[in-house]
Amino acid sequence: DTEVTQTPKHLVMGMTNKKSLKCEQHMGHRAMYWYKQKAKKPPELMFVYSYEKLSINESVPSRFSPECPNSSLLNLHLHALQPEDSALYLCASSQALSGLGVVSSGNTIYFGEGSWLTVV
Amino acid sequence: AQSVTQLDSHVSVSEGTPVLLRCNYSSSYSPSLFWYVQHPNKGLQLLLKYTSAATLVKGINGFEAEFKKSETSFHLTKPSAHMSDAAEYFCVVSDYNNQGGKLIFGQGTELSVKP
Repeated sequence: DTEVTQTPKHLVMGMTNKKSLKCEQHMGHRAMYWYKQKAKKPPELMFVYSYEKLSINESVPSRFSPECPNSSLLNLHLHALQPEDSALYLCASSQALSGLGVVSSGNTIYFGEGSWLTVV
Repeated sequence: AQSVTQLDSHVSVSEGTPVLLRCNYSSSYSPSLFWYVQHPNKGLQLLLKYTSAATLVKGINGFEAEFKKSETSFHLTKPSAHMSDAAEYFCVVSDYNNQGGKLIFGQGTELSVKP
């Protein structure tokens, strides 16, 4: 089963709201990712967690706050977003190497269906 | 630095005709290369991947790709297009240079299939 599950599928929020996106995988993967994708563009990496520790933050604004409560779950907390943050948010997971926790070059990254976020 | 160039932003074929989506990469290492497909309003699905084994890689739904080191190419092909193949296709190289598994995406090729 190569499934990454994301909820909710659609979210509309105001600029003063606080909301969360959730992601779950049961493949035993120890690396999990958040990507942001605008229309007609490739996904852009936001965060990488390896063994439940944040290993990459691609200079994402602090209004996005990731959390990895355990090896199967990944959350993205949203607060005071701007309309330009409206996008498809993709969660992904993969195996990770031991040691540095760096993902092997050959490991496949599996994506969820995404959460469509609209900020009004 | 690694990079990926998809040579066509849009490809249109007729149903039943061959598909060719072109991808060139730049890498200082032996790369891992992937093709992902994204249907409208969906997430990304892995079609196939190359990781230094056989240079001709077979994927799902009849797609295959050939790794050509001398040409730094990884073109995606399918002998006969189906209407359900209409989607966005991304060629991707894996950057394993201590970047924690970053994927370097091409800009995507939109495939249209005419009846």
